[in-house]
Amino acid sequence: RKEVEQDPGPFNVPEGATVAFNCTYSNSASQSFFWYRQDCRKEPKLLMSVYSSGNEDGRFTAQLNRASQYISLLIRDSKLSDSATYLCVVEKSSGDKLTFGTGTRLAVRP
Amino acid sequence: DTAVSQTPKYLVTQMGNDKSIKCEQNLGHDTMYWYKQDSKKFLKIMFSYNNKELIINETVPNRFSPKSPDKAHLNLHINSLELGDSAVYFCASSLKSGTPYEQYFGPGTRLTVT
Repeated sequence: RKEVEQDPGPFNVPEGATVAFNCTYSNSASQSFFWYRQDCRKEPKLLMSVYSSGNEDGRFTAQLNRASQYISLLIRDSKLSDSATYLCVVEKSSGDKLTFGTGTRLAVRP
Repeated sequence: DTAVSQTPKYLVTQMGNDKSIKCEQNLGHDTMYWYKQDSKKFLKIMFSYNNKELIINETVPNRFSPKSPDKAHLNLHINSLELGDSAVYFCASSLKSGTPYEQYFGPGTRLTVT
């Protein structure tokens, strides 16, 4: 089983749609969780950290379910500029390496 | 005012050659990383240095040798290049290792081995 698993997509949605991505992780001892965004042929950039209580940043909401070992990202009111690959990232403990999922590709159409 | 820079951006070379990729960060960060992203877009850490000291060394062939002359620079030298080394190599840095410190990535070096 992969350490971090994501549906590769692509998710094709119209502008204004709400889209959700899930990610599962295998190591129950994992402590920190993130979503990174990677545009085509560009470097990954941190989108948001994921906190146990869930957190929101504008149109983006991240949730963590430790019991089921999954993380989700919800994007509301999708914009064309949201088209990218979203990488689920897990850290076992502070100072340990980041483990990246292979990403979920989102394509928002006009 | 680029935060994390890498050179070269593209590198095309033949099997068996030796090549180096350079990385510099001007963010004053203590920790730097090398990642490899293969053709399936899987991003995997190779090495991590904290204040010039190696702290993470994943299972990477010893043909790959990182060098950190100071905490602002982390270079990657690859000996005897193989076809399977073709990938995008990203350098990254963070203020310190671990959370909650965000990692900032360089633009990547696209290596093609023919």
